[in-house]
Amino acid sequence: NAGVTQTPKFRVLKTGQSMTLLCAQDMNHEYMYWYRQDPGMGLRLIHYSVGEGTTAKGEVPDGYNVSRLKKQNFLLGLESAAPSQTSVYFCASSWGPGEAWEQYFGPGTRLTVT
Amino acid sequence: AQSVAQPEDQVNVAEGNPLTVKCTYSVSGNPYLFWYVQYPNRGLQFLLKYITGDNLVKGSYGFEAEFNKSQTSFHLKKPSALVSDSALYFCAVRDPYNQGGKLIFGQGTELSVKP
Repeated sequence: NAGVTQTPKFRVLKTGQSMTLLCAQDMNHEYMYWYRQDPGMGLRLIHYSVGEGTTAKGEVPDGYNVSRLKKQNFLLGLESAAPSQTSVYFCASSWGPGEAWEQYFGPGTRLTVT
Repeated sequence: AQSVAQPEDQVNVAEGNPLTVKCTYSVSGNPYLFWYVQYPNRGLQFLLKYITGDNLVKGSYGFEAEFNKSQTSFHLKKPSALVSDSALYFCAVRDPYNQGGKLIFGQGTELSVKP
């Protein structure tokens, strides 16, 4: 049981380049999330999904797109990277509706945009 | 608007002493509150949560948290700190108006436990 995994772990992009971050979970969770973590700002929600085929915007969605074609995978895309997107990105998943289920986090992807 | 505040950027404690990491919240309705820990270069790990019931919640690694509705606080505590408890701690509240179970995080508190 690997939990939540993220690929890649590190990436350096030039301004304007694109990339996709992959998140996978093997816990059959319904809900998945993408956060970014910046010093002194905690974690901020980028996009989330409440089930296969659904996505919704979080606090800071601009410049990012997501897709959830399969229940176990949640992809985060940057179409044209900007230095302001330099950050550590975390994926998380949880069971879903009803009780306040805790979220399980992946190990993170450290992205630098030059 | 829902929010979480962690008033201390850093907390320093000697090993063996009790520790407290503070958290206050502002949320409409009944709060669902969480504590997470982040070790260097790792993802966040769930420690404990308060949904309802007993105001003292026990969690992983000997941590506990006290919910105080009148003071809108949810402070994390441990009776005897270990050097291995040194990490970044996040308090979070579930946004009651978000169908996705969105969490609102505090900015984090760096806990340093010295031998």
